[in-house]
Amino acid sequence: SQKIEQNSEALNIQEGKTATLTCNYTNYSPAYLQWYRQDPGRGPVFLLLIRENEKEKRKERLKVTFDTTLKQSLFHITASQPADSATYLCALGLSGGSYIPTFGRGTSLIVHP
Amino acid sequence: DAMVIQNPRYQVTQFGKPVTLSCSQTLNHNVMYWYQQKSSQAPKLLFHYYDKDFNNEADTPDNFQSRRPNTSFCFLDIRSPGLGDAAMYLCATSAGGTGTDTQYFGPGTRLTVL
Repeated sequence: SQKIEQNSEALNIQEGKTATLTCNYTNYSPAYLQWYRQDPGRGPVFLLLIRENEKEKRKERLKVTFDTTLKQSLFHITASQPADSATYLCALGLSGGSYIPTFGRGTSLIVHP
Repeated sequence: DAMVIQNPRYQVTQFGKPVTLSCSQTLNHNVMYWYQQKSSQAPKLLFHYYDKDFNNEADTPDNFQSRRPNTSFCFLDIRSPGLGDAAMYLCATSAGGTGTDTQYFGPGTRLTVL
Protein backbone atom coordinates (compact mmCIF):
# COMPACT_ATOMS: atom_id res chain seq x y z
CA SER A 1 0.00 0.00 0.00
CA GLN A 2 1.01 3.60 -0.49
CA LYS A 3 2.61 5.29 2.50
CA ILE A 4 4.00 8.70 3.34
CA GLU A 5 6.17 8.66 6.42
CA GLN A 6 7.21 11.61 8.51
CA ASN A 7 8.85 11.28 11.88
CA SER A 8 6.19 11.34 14.58
CA GLU A 9 8.71 12.44 17.19
CA ALA A 10 9.27 16.16 17.54
CA LEU A 11 12.57 17.57 16.38
CA ASN A 12 14.15 19.79 19.02
CA ILE A 13 17.01 22.06 17.96
CA GLN A 14 18.81 25.13 19.19
CA GLU A 15 18.26 28.52 17.62
CA GLY A 16 20.71 29.23 14.83
CA LYS A 17 21.18 25.58 13.86
CA THR A 18 19.90 23.95 10.68
CA ALA A 19 16.75 21.90 11.05
CA THR A 20 16.33 18.92 8.73
CA LEU A 21 13.00 17.15 8.37
CA THR A 22 12.43 13.97 6.38
CA CYS A 23 9.60 12.74 4.21
CA ASN A 24 9.82 9.14 2.99
CA TYR A 25 7.34 7.45 0.73
CA THR A 26 6.65 3.97 -0.60
CA ASN A 27 4.64 2.70 -3.55
CA TYR A 28 4.28 6.16 -5.02
CA SER A 29 5.49 7.64 -8.26
CA PRO A 30 5.17 11.29 -7.35
CA ALA A 31 5.17 13.97 -10.00
CA TYR A 32 5.84 16.58 -7.36
CA LEU A 33 6.21 17.05 -3.64
CA GLN A 34 5.09 20.00 -1.56
CA TRP A 35 5.94 21.18 1.94
CA TYR A 36 3.48 23.00 4.16
CA ARG A 37 3.76 24.63 7.57
CA GLN A 38 0.97 24.20 10.12
CA ASP A 39 0.73 26.17 13.34
CA PRO A 40 -1.37 24.81 16.24
CA GLY A 41 -5.08 25.26 15.61
CA ARG A 42 -4.54 26.66 12.11
CA GLY A 43 -4.67 25.40 8.54
CA PRO A 44 -1.50 24.42 6.67
CA VAL A 45 0.32 27.08 4.67
CA PHE A 46 2.14 26.22 1.44
CA LEU A 47 5.91 26.74 1.52
CA LEU A 48 7.67 25.05 -1.38
CA LEU A 49 7.10 22.72 -4.33
CA ILE A 50 9.66 20.48 -6.01
CA ARG A 51 9.03 18.45 -9.14
CA GLU A 52 10.25 14.91 -9.85
CA ASN A 53 12.89 16.13 -12.28
CA GLU A 54 14.33 18.65 -9.80
CA LYS A 55 16.95 17.80 -7.22
CA GLU A 56 16.83 20.89 -5.08
CA LYS A 57 14.77 24.04 -4.51
CA ARG A 58 15.54 27.03 -2.33
CA LYS A 59 13.51 29.88 -0.91
CA GLU A 60 15.18 32.25 1.52
CA ARG A 61 16.25 30.07 4.50
CA LEU A 62 14.39 27.02 3.19
CA LYS A 63 15.81 24.24 1.04
CA VAL A 64 14.10 21.13 -0.24
CA THR A 65 15.74 18.14 -1.87
CA PHE A 66 14.00 15.33 -3.72
CA ASP A 67 15.59 11.95 -4.34
CA THR A 68 13.27 9.70 -6.34
CA THR A 69 15.74 6.80 -6.07
CA LEU A 70 15.76 6.90 -2.28
CA LYS A 71 12.07 7.88 -2.31
CA GLN A 72 12.82 10.70 0.06
CA SER A 73 12.59 14.46 0.42
CA LEU A 74 14.56 16.49 2.92
CA PHE A 75 13.39 19.88 4.16
CA HIS A 76 16.04 22.17 5.64
CA ILE A 77 15.63 25.40 7.57
CA THR A 78 18.94 27.19 8.00
CA ALA A 79 19.64 29.63 10.85
CA SER A 80 16.50 28.43 12.57
CA GLN A 81 14.54 30.75 14.84
CA PRO A 82 11.97 30.10 17.59
CA ALA A 83 9.35 31.50 15.17
CA ASP A 84 10.04 28.51 12.90
CA SER A 85 8.52 26.22 15.54
CA ALA A 86 5.54 24.51 13.90
CA THR A 87 4.50 21.25 12.30
CA TYR A 88 5.77 20.69 8.77
CA LEU A 89 3.79 18.45 6.42
CA CYS A 90 4.88 16.99 3.12
CA ALA A 91 2.36 16.25 0.40
CA LEU A 92 2.82 14.14 -2.73
CA GLY A 93 1.15 14.55 -6.07
CA LEU A 94 1.03 11.56 -8.38
CA SER A 95 2.26 11.21 -11.95
CA GLY A 96 -0.60 11.15 -14.41
CA GLY A 97 -3.18 10.81 -11.73
CA SER A 98 -5.28 13.02 -9.56
CA TYR A 99 -4.06 16.57 -9.27
CA ILE A 100 -4.79 16.45 -5.54
CA PRO A 101 -1.77 15.92 -3.28
CA THR A 102 -1.83 13.38 -0.45
CA PHE A 103 -0.56 14.65 2.90
CA GLY A 104 1.74 13.13 5.45
CA ARG A 105 1.04 13.52 9.16
CA GLY A 106 3.81 16.08 9.63
CA THR A 107 6.73 16.47 11.98
CA SER A 108 6.77 18.97 14.82
CA LEU A 109 9.79 21.27 14.96
CA ILE A 110 10.66 23.05 18.20
CA VAL A 111 13.41 25.66 18.07
CA HIS A 112 14.78 26.59 21.47
CA PRO A 113 16.17 30.08 22.10
CA ASP B 1 -6.01 40.07 0.78
CA ALA B 2 -7.42 37.08 -1.04
CA MET B 3 -8.22 34.37 1.43
CA VAL B 4 -10.17 31.36 2.60
CA ILE B 5 -12.53 32.02 5.49
CA GLN B 6 -14.17 29.44 7.71
CA ASN B 7 -17.00 29.95 10.15
CA PRO B 8 -17.35 29.29 12.92
CA ARG B 9 -13.84 28.75 14.24
CA TYR B 10 -15.16 26.62 17.06
CA GLN B 11 -18.35 24.58 16.99
CA VAL B 12 -19.82 22.54 19.81
CA THR B 13 -22.67 20.19 19.06
CA GLN B 14 -24.44 17.34 20.77
CA PHE B 15 -24.25 13.74 19.73
CA GLY B 16 -26.64 13.23 16.81
CA LYS B 17 -27.48 16.93 16.35
CA PRO B 18 -26.87 18.10 12.77
CA VAL B 19 -24.22 20.72 12.22
CA THR B 20 -23.14 22.83 9.24
CA LEU B 21 -19.70 24.32 8.73
CA SER B 22 -19.14 27.03 6.17
CA CYS B 23 -16.28 28.11 3.96
CA SER B 24 -15.89 31.04 1.63
CA GLN B 25 -13.07 32.13 -0.65
CA THR B 26 -12.04 35.31 -2.42
CA LEU B 27 -9.38 33.59 -4.55
CA ASN B 28 -11.86 32.73 -7.30
CA HIS B 29 -10.46 29.20 -7.38
CA ASN B 30 -12.18 26.41 -9.27
CA VAL B 31 -11.67 23.74 -6.66
CA MET B 32 -12.83 23.62 -3.05
CA TYR B 33 -11.99 20.82 -0.63
CA TRP B 34 -13.02 19.62 2.79
CA TYR B 35 -10.50 17.82 4.98
CA GLN B 36 -10.85 16.24 8.39
CA GLN B 37 -7.78 16.38 10.61
CA LYS B 38 -7.46 14.69 13.98
CA SER B 39 -4.67 15.37 16.43
CA SER B 40 -1.20 14.51 15.07
CA GLN B 41 -2.70 12.99 11.93
CA ALA B 42 -2.55 13.88 8.27
CA PRO B 43 -5.42 15.91 6.84
CA LYS B 44 -7.88 13.40 5.40
CA LEU B 45 -9.69 14.44 2.24
CA LEU B 46 -13.46 14.01 2.56
CA PHE B 47 -14.60 15.42 -0.81
CA HIS B 48 -14.01 18.21 -3.25
CA TYR B 49 -15.77 20.22 -5.90
CA TYR B 50 -14.21 21.04 -9.23
CA ASP B 51 -16.52 23.89 -10.21
CA LYS B 52 -19.93 22.27 -9.73
CA ASP B 53 -18.70 18.70 -10.07
CA PHE B 54 -18.81 16.90 -6.74
CA ASN B 55 -16.20 14.24 -5.96
CA ASN B 56 -16.62 12.06 -2.92
CA GLU B 57 -13.73 10.06 -1.47
CA ALA B 58 -14.56 6.35 -1.32
CA ASP B 59 -14.17 6.10 2.44
CA THR B 60 -16.07 9.26 3.40
CA PRO B 61 -19.02 8.25 5.59
CA ASP B 62 -22.54 8.94 4.31
CA ASN B 63 -23.01 11.07 7.42
CA PHE B 64 -20.98 13.78 5.71
CA GLN B 65 -22.50 15.85 2.92
CA SER B 66 -21.43 18.96 1.09
CA ARG B 67 -22.97 21.79 -0.89
CA ARG B 68 -21.41 24.38 -3.15
CA PRO B 69 -24.11 26.88 -4.12
CA ASN B 70 -21.68 29.16 -5.98
CA THR B 71 -17.98 29.62 -6.71
CA SER B 72 -17.28 31.40 -3.44
CA PHE B 73 -19.06 29.24 -0.87
CA CYS B 74 -18.95 25.64 0.23
CA PHE B 75 -20.66 23.94 3.16
CA LEU B 76 -20.00 20.78 5.11
CA ASP B 77 -23.04 19.14 6.68
CA ILE B 78 -22.67 16.46 9.30
CA ARG B 79 -26.08 14.88 9.61
CA SER B 80 -25.67 12.96 12.85
CA PRO B 81 -22.35 13.72 14.51
CA GLY B 82 -20.78 10.98 16.55
CA LEU B 83 -18.02 11.27 19.11
CA GLY B 84 -15.57 10.06 16.47
CA ASP B 85 -16.37 13.07 14.30
CA ALA B 86 -14.75 15.47 16.74
CA ALA B 87 -11.86 16.95 14.79
CA MET B 88 -10.53 20.00 12.99
CA TYR B 89 -12.29 20.54 9.68
CA LEU B 90 -10.23 22.30 7.08
CA CYS B 91 -11.51 23.94 3.93
CA ALA B 92 -9.03 24.47 1.12
CA THR B 93 -9.07 25.82 -2.41
CA SER B 94 -6.88 25.43 -5.43
CA ALA B 95 -6.82 26.73 -8.97
CA GLY B 96 -7.09 23.16 -10.31
CA GLY B 97 -5.85 21.80 -13.59
CA THR B 98 -2.30 23.06 -13.11
CA GLY B 99 -0.78 19.65 -12.44
CA THR B 100 0.76 20.79 -9.17
CA ASP B 101 -2.22 21.63 -7.10
CA THR B 102 -1.14 24.04 -4.37
CA GLN B 103 -3.74 24.05 -1.62
CA TYR B 104 -4.80 27.26 0.13
CA PHE B 105 -6.28 26.44 3.51
CA GLY B 106 -8.65 28.28 5.76
CA PRO B 107 -8.00 28.53 9.51
CA GLY B 108 -10.19 25.51 10.24
CA THR B 109 -13.23 24.83 12.39
CA ARG B 110 -12.66 22.84 15.58
CA LEU B 111 -15.70 20.61 16.13
CA THR B 112 -16.48 19.25 19.58
CA VAL B 113 -19.19 16.60 20.00
CA LEU B 114 -20.68 16.21 23.46
